[in-house]
Amino acid sequence: GAVVSQHPSWVICKSGTSVKIECRSLDFQATTMFWYRQFPKQSLMLMATSNEGSKATYEQGVEKDKFLINHASLTLSTLTVTSAHPEDSSFYICSATSRLINSPLHFGNGTRLTVT
Amino acid sequence: AQKVTQAQTEISVVEKEDVTLDCVYETRDTTYYLFWYKQPPSGELVFLIRRNSFDEQNEISGRYSWNFQKSTSSFNFTITASQVVDSAVYFCALLGGYNFNKFYFGSGTKLNVKP
Repeated sequence: GAVVSQHPSWVICKSGTSVKIECRSLDFQATTMFWYRQFPKQSLMLMATSNEGSKATYEQGVEKDKFLINHASLTLSTLTVTSAHPEDSSFYICSATSRLINSPLHFGNGTRLTVT
Repeated sequence: AQKVTQAQTEISVVEKEDVTLDCVYETRDTTYYLFWYKQPPSGELVFLIRRNSFDEQNEISGRYSWNFQKSTSSFNFTITASQVVDSAVYFCALLGGYNFNKFYFGSGTKLNVKP
């Protein structure tokens, strides 16, 4: 069964509003979570890596004030798209893992964001 | 720097044909992990395999097999006797960096298996 729950699976919002996407690890402690966005027919672009209890590390070109990532607990990380614009419409996917050397990487099922 | 290259953008085969998806990676890390994922049209990512950098043994799982060649920095994926249900986008990915905090995907290869 799914070990990473991502919610919501889809969301439509108006331009200028903020949207929060949650990523929860269901049966393990996720010390590290990765956030990606995927445009149609393109690859997953790593946006940021978040470690529990510390600030997220953003990839070059990703606005940290635009995409707020919080990883306050070992089971929950959130991505907030602030003041969303139509160009933020995309598929956002999270991935979670623990620090154990053989820990698998689990992906959420993604969130399709449409900004109108 | 970490980089994953999947040179094949799209491949079309007829059912029952064998097909190999190429993956070439770049990393300065001595310890890293390589992955293959399948992404069907529904969008979710389906884990296929993980291989660590010290394990160059090839692996076979049913119709799937993987060839890890450290000397050429390649981790190729072969589907034997392809089926229509294999149609999807396949991604190769590399996990590395300090504390394994970098997880990059290749651009993906879209596989079309025709009946």
